[in-house]
Amino acid sequence: AQSVTQPDIHITVSEGASLELRCNYSYGATPYLFWYVQSPGQGLQLLLKYFSGDTLVQGIKGFEAEFKRSQSSFNLRKPSVHWSDAAEYFCAVGSGGYNKLIFGAGTRLAVHP
Amino acid sequence: ETGVTQTPRHLVMGMTNKKSLKCEQHLGHNAMYWYKQSAKKPLELMFVYSLEERVENNSVPSRFSPECPNSSHLFLHLHTLQPEDSALYLCASSRDSNSPLHFGNGTRLTVT
Repeated sequence: AQSVTQPDIHITVSEGASLELRCNYSYGATPYLFWYVQSPGQGLQLLLKYFSGDTLVQGIKGFEAEFKRSQSSFNLRKPSVHWSDAAEYFCAVGSGGYNKLIFGAGTRLAVHP
Repeated sequence: ETGVTQTPRHLVMGMTNKKSLKCEQHLGHNAMYWYKQSAKKPLELMFVYSLEERVENNSVPSRFSPECPNSSHLFLHLHTLQPEDSALYLCASSRDSNSPLHFGNGTRLTVT
């Protein structure tokens, strides 16, 4: 069965510091992988996606993620965090494109000035 | 403005009440979804509609009853809910099954 694990429930970084949010998945075939962000009181917004091809994908707001098949990981990175990046981040895997996504439990990011 | 509008934003209901959540999308999409977001649990897909036909029902209890009268509107009818049904209910839409999901801001439901 498909599953997604986000090992870090909470992460706190200083503004300007680099960020890496971890995501591990379990899926038999080549997965479709996504990162979403949710600000307080808001719905989810798609940051980036991986379907195939280049394993380093660029997203919105300066985020990128790297698909590593050998490690079953799809970690999200940003070189310099801004205070407005404070939010909850969700990794997801889909077996049929965007439909029927399986989400991780989320990582809540706090940013210190 | 996300293009997907959910009403109400907050709802408090007793276990014997009947209420409905509404979702409207202005994006011309053909697929609509209900997700449940509970505290400390991953988002759970509840229902998927494609061209107004239900194509997915993830073992959701019958006290939740979806309705999709047209491709722009999706409802979730609620009756005889339990306190553990308290959660954020998110609606989403997509152009088709291979297109990005666009989420609404959700309805925060509290069952007392």
